[in-house]
Amino acid sequence: GESVGLHLPTLSVQEGDNSIINCAYSNSASDYFIWYKQESGKGPQFIIDIRSNMDKRQGQRVTVLLNKTVKHLSLQIAATQPGDSAVYFCAETRGYGNKLVFGAGTILRVKS
Amino acid sequence: DGGITQSPKYLFRKEGQNVTLSCEQNLNHDAMYWYRQDPGQGLRLIYYSQIVNDFQKGDIAEGYSVSREKKESFPLTVTSAQKNPTAFYLCASNTGITGELFFGEGSRLTVL
Repeated sequence: GESVGLHLPTLSVQEGDNSIINCAYSNSASDYFIWYKQESGKGPQFIIDIRSNMDKRQGQRVTVLLNKTVKHLSLQIAATQPGDSAVYFCAETRGYGNKLVFGAGTILRVKS
Repeated sequence: DGGITQSPKYLFRKEGQNVTLSCEQNLNHDAMYWYRQDPGQGLRLIYYSQIVNDFQKGDIAEGYSVSREKKESFPLTVTSAQKNPTAFYLCASNTGITGELFFGEGSRLTVL
């Protein structure tokens, strides 16, 4: 995949505001998508997933939206907290047993 | 607790030396993966194994080797042939059926 080099996109939000992190995926045949959160120096953690037969899925404080027409995925975080500060990755795959392909990530910074 | 354990967390190596990173999981997962992460970039797949005694090259396998003698273990050797080995290495596993990956906490390798 493409790399944005050393400068990941950064989203800065005020504590308590809602955050929207966007991801453009590459394979129109992908049918399963995951959002991961990675804190500094740690491994990625699963946040939420969605299959291509859905447009929206909600979790606790998070919502994932999928627009297959334009190959776009977004993660919405409600009432963003300082603990949400991290790098967020989207990942896509097609079918069962296939490898996940990861995007470059977006840095979320929460200002108190 | 079930999970993935990577060791060591930090490793320093002189040029020309081989090093082996350990990855152990007690999740009873069939599939295991090694990813490399460089600053500002997404995760790139080095090797993966979907079953014991079998493994496949990922996108950046040159200069690396793996083995899968036991279901629980998937060690990665960074050989002297790897031209730019300084990076953060992540091990992951899944059932091989669902896409969601479970990650270890990572190993940071620095070549001096």
